[in-house]
Amino acid sequence: QSALTQPAAMSGSPGQSITISCTGTSSDVGGFNYVSWYQQHPGKAPKLIIYGVSSRPSGISNRFSGSKTGNTASLTISGLQTEDEADYYCSSYKRGGSWMFGGGTILTVL
Amino acid sequence: EVYLEESGGGLVQPGGSLRLSCGASGFTFSSYQITWVRQAPGKGLEWISYINSRGSTMYYADSVKGRFTISRDNAQNSVYLQMNSLRSEDTSIYYCARLDLYGSESFDHWGQGTLVIVSS
Repeated sequence: QSALTQPAAMSGSPGQSITISCTGTSSDVGGFNYVSWYQQHPGKAPKLIIYGVSSRPSGISNRFSGSKTGNTASLTISGLQTEDEADYYCSSYKRGGSWMFGGGTILTVL
Repeated sequence: EVYLEESGGGLVQPGGSLRLSCGASGFTFSSYQITWVRQAPGKGLEWISYINSRGSTMYYADSVKGRFTISRDNAQNSVYLQMNSLRSEDTSIYYCARLDLYGSESFDHWGQGTLVIVSS
């Protein structure tokens, strides 16, 4: 069960926007609108920030947005803030009853 | 407030067994599906197991299939992960997470995790 493909690391300056990609296959990302994104700060549990490709849970800033085209999902963070520095993981339900995560993207806010 | 708390982690020798527990509060536990996700030190997240709300359907990742067993006791608001034939590569923080009720297949609340170290 190979992981979904994410860039290992990205960086941006405060106020900028960045987009993290997450590439899978037609059996996972492309086959369902079940892509979610998680933010994880060091030593903390992951936190859901996007579900159902593009929906935000209550309390999550509208600076976080999600989208999907074909087998690739994307997380965009606009107006970068220092507290956005964290690891980000995408996840997708996979045909057959399992879930997959991306390898994770380390976001540095310079 | 939704709360999930894992327990039962620790140091175990290769080939040994361990039983993790996930206790829940702050929501109607029997209505929710629960999963286990692990994270090896310095590595990414790996989904490993799922159980539906009634405890009648379970799924496992290939990496743990045949060695790990997930179960739940809705009367005790708890989910369990029985881990047998442990290997060094099972060393990880183990998180339990709740699936949301919207049907989006996302994990909307997570516990803080329990560390399992498999080493001689």
